[in-house]
Amino acid sequence: ELKVEQNPLFLSMQEGKNYTIYCNYSTTSDRLYWYRQDPGKSLESLFVLLSNGAVKQEGRLMASLDTKARLSTLHITAAVHDLSATYFCAVPPGAQKLVFGQGTRLTINP
Amino acid sequence: DTAVSQTPKYLVTQMGNDKSIKCEQNLGHDTMYWYKQDSKKFLKIMFSYNNKELIINETVPNRFSPKSPDKAHLNLHINSLELGDSAVYFCASSQDQGRELFFGEGSRLTVL
Repeated sequence: ELKVEQNPLFLSMQEGKNYTIYCNYSTTSDRLYWYRQDPGKSLESLFVLLSNGAVKQEGRLMASLDTKARLSTLHITAAVHDLSATYFCAVPPGAQKLVFGQGTRLTINP
Repeated sequence: DTAVSQTPKYLVTQMGNDKSIKCEQNLGHDTMYWYKQDSKKFLKIMFSYNNKELIINETVPNRFSPKSPDKAHLNLHINSLELGDSAVYFCASSQDQGRELFFGEGSRLTVL
């Protein structure tokens, strides 16, 4: 059974700093998704990574995928308070569903 | 226009009662899902339907009965509610199975 593990699960950081969230998964997949969830809200799609070596950037967030290592990273550059949220990665085992990681709760302090 | 809409957003009910949540998507997607998010924010798939056909039933108790009258709608009925059913239930849709999910706003169920 596919396991998707995120690291760290909780992250508190200062504004202006850089940090990376890691997502490891246990079986082969050529795709990976990142989502953001604000408290009490729904999940919003951030990035769709469709192949090995894929890199996508949106503002201060950059996501990458290494399918051989079964690893994706979400890098935050010069964090700002508005990026405080819970971030999830998700992987499709086979082609029927998405399996989500545990989520990384990110708090950015002024 | 809301792409995936769920009603109601909040349900508070007593143990043993029955409740339903409705979901509609206007994205023209073929696949719809129910996910459960527990108090620790863990998201787990419950059911998926593709063109009204049940594809996934993830060992969910048979007190939970999904129904898809057409590919734009997926409802969830829960019988004999238990305390452990308290959670946020998210409806989602995707163009095809295993693709990018678009989520509804969630329905927060509290069982007292």
